[in-house]
Amino acid sequence: EVQLVESGGGLVQPGGSLRLSCAASGFTFSNYAMSWVRQAPGKGLEWVSGISLSGGSTYYADSVKGRFTISRDTSRTLYLQMNSLRAEDTAIYYCARVYLAGGYYYYGMDVWGQGTTVTVSS
Amino acid sequence: QSALTQPASVSGSPGQSITISCTGTSSDVGGYTSVSWYQQQPGKAPKLMIYDVSLRPSRVSNRFSGSRSGNTASLTISGLQAEDEADYYCSSYSSSSTPYVFGTGTKVTVL
Repeated sequence: EVQLVESGGGLVQPGGSLRLSCAASGFTFSNYAMSWVRQAPGKGLEWVSGISLSGGSTYYADSVKGRFTISRDTSRTLYLQMNSLRAEDTAIYYCARVYLAGGYYYYGMDVWGQGTTVTVSS
Repeated sequence: QSALTQPASVSGSPGQSITISCTGTSSDVGGYTSVSWYQQQPGKAPKLMIYDVSLRPSRVSNRFSGSRSGNTASLTISGLQAEDEADYYCSSYSSSSTPYVFGTGTKVTVL
């Protein structure tokens, strides 16, 4: 079964850091570009960051540029390192896979994890 | 970065057809083929319904169709069913400083 499972969310104080992980299974992870998408409570979807299938190219939303870092390892895990966290970063964070092997990060995303919740509060 | 503009809500009776619009600019929706649509049920992760403006994943009902005219993309749901009640989001590649954007979201209600 093709699956993505996020972990690493939790409660963190403003200015703190958190590292999210996304474990992939059921497909050849290294063949797919990936993204992180978040959803603040009661709000819409916001794309956060994307990474090429090799990991050599990374992309960020203006709202997180300079604070968040996306990466992937050669096994089956996608990461999002989040630093200098703010209250407005509070959200459910989803990792997602593009629908086409070899495709770019901005292609449609056909596999999503269940999400991990990040709460930034003192 | 600016989100793509969608109507906040659209409603219809069972069996009817509805259309959700997604308005952007020539720097996103109007300039690239990477326009997608997602359905999100309450408490669930989004589900890909349309990609590349008008293509449909095999597992998605053919009642869902996508199109584009100028800077506006559209999702049409024909033969509306109770199970279609959900939030819908468009998305697009963008040549702006934020290279991928979602729409503001549309709540579909089946009357």
